Amino acid sequence: NAGVTQTPKFQVLKTGQSMTLQCAQDMNHEYMSWYRQDPGMGLRLIHYSVGAGITDQGEVPNGYNVSRSTTEDFPLRLLSAAPSQTSVYFCASRRTVGSGANVLTFGAGSRLTVL
Amino acid sequence: AQKVTQAQTEISVVEKEDVTLDCVYETRDTTYYLFWYKQPPSGELVFLIRRNSFDEQNEISGRYSWNFQKSTSSFNFTITASQVVDSAVYFCALSWNFNKFYFGSGTKLNVKP
Repeated sequence: NAGVTQTPKFQVLKTGQSMTLQCAQDMNHEYMSWYRQDPGMGLRLIHYSVGAGITDQGEVPNGYNVSRSTTEDFPLRLLSAAPSQTSVYFCASRRTVGSGANVLTFGAGSRLTVL
Repeated sequence: AQKVTQAQTEISVVEKEDVTLDCVYETRDTTYYLFWYKQPPSGELVFLIRRNSFDEQNEISGRYSWNFQKSTSSFNFTITASQVVDSAVYFCALSWNFNKFYFGSGTKLNVKP
């Protein structure tokens, strides 16, 4: 049981480049989400999904796209990277029933630098 | 609107001292949930506790205790007899529906030997 797996752990992009941050979970969690962590600002929600085919925006969705074609995967796409997107990104999922329900389980994070 | 404020940016204590991390929240919802997470220097986020708005009982888990007061919209976290391993950034978070979670800016705790 690997939990929430994020790849890559580190990435450097140039302004205008595109990339996808991958997130996979093997816990059969319906809910998945993406957060960004910036100094002095805590974690802010980018997008979330309550199940395959369903996504919604969080606090800071601009510049990011998501889709959810399977329960296991929730990739985050940056179509045209900007320096303001330099951050540490966390993927999180949660179960909806049973022991430990409704508590976020986080991946290890992906550090993105946009030059 | 939902908001979490952690006014203490950084706290330094000497090992074995007690330390309290403050968390103040704002919400218009009558039912909501509060959380604390720990982020050690390695960077992962570790769940510590969840509290429901309708349960104001304080909770103790070993050296950790939490004081929830709806009257002051606070959910403070106390570490008794702090240890070097407690050094981390601690985040308080709020959610009313478990879909959107609102995090405070975090408090960095430095415990010196």
